[in-house]
Amino acid sequence: GAVVSQHPSRVICKSGTSVKIECRSLDFQATTMFWYRQFPKKSLMLMATSNEGSKATYEQGVEKDKFLINHASLTLSTLTVTSAHPEDSSFYICSATIHLAGAGYEQYFGPGTRLTVT
Amino acid sequence: DAKTTQPNSMESNEEEPVHLPCNHSTISGTDYIHWYRQLPSQGPEYVIHGLTSNVNNRMASLAIAEDRKSSTLILHRATLRDAAVYYCILRDVGGAQKLVFGQGTRLTINP
Repeated sequence: GAVVSQHPSRVICKSGTSVKIECRSLDFQATTMFWYRQFPKKSLMLMATSNEGSKATYEQGVEKDKFLINHASLTLSTLTVTSAHPEDSSFYICSATIHLAGAGYEQYFGPGTRLTVT
Repeated sequence: DAKTTQPNSMESNEEEPVHLPCNHSTISGTDYIHWYRQLPSQGPEYVIHGLTSNVNNRMASLAIAEDRKSSTLILHRATLRDAAVYYCILRDVGGAQKLVFGQGTRLTINP
């Protein structure tokens, strides 16, 4: 199946700093990628839809100036958490879609990035 | 996206079949039924999807009720590695590509 990677897998940063998370589709091109966050024991919450070459579409309640998304190529999307605070500590997961003939799209997920803000 | 309802948790024994139910009474004619699972500290993994007919793949089987208002994910012979949270998600084939995750079912497998 299709492979999506994330880097880094784990990051610790100090409060007030910014951190960038990369999401790559390794063996396919993805015009659309998604970013989710997940708190412990909770389900995934969609943050934004990232479209190659255009601005991301953010879900209601997600601050676009805090979570900067860039999708500059068909295989790479980045999420930058700006001025991170401890409440931003979470598990961030990206996904990328592949079009299935006659069946819409299928999503493949990255392994996640655990962000800890101290 | 139409809503799905799943039990919060289920438990089964190793090497026994597991039937994970999902109710989706408001499903529309163009909604596909997708199942994903998430192992601890990993991203979700695609399991199976279907529209009307039952589906089989190497991981599982998907049984869809005739009225499509419910479905069941079947793991034929559970192993300890199948312990995960299983999500049943509806997505309109012609709609947005995004997936909206509910709470899912946490499956525990006893040795």
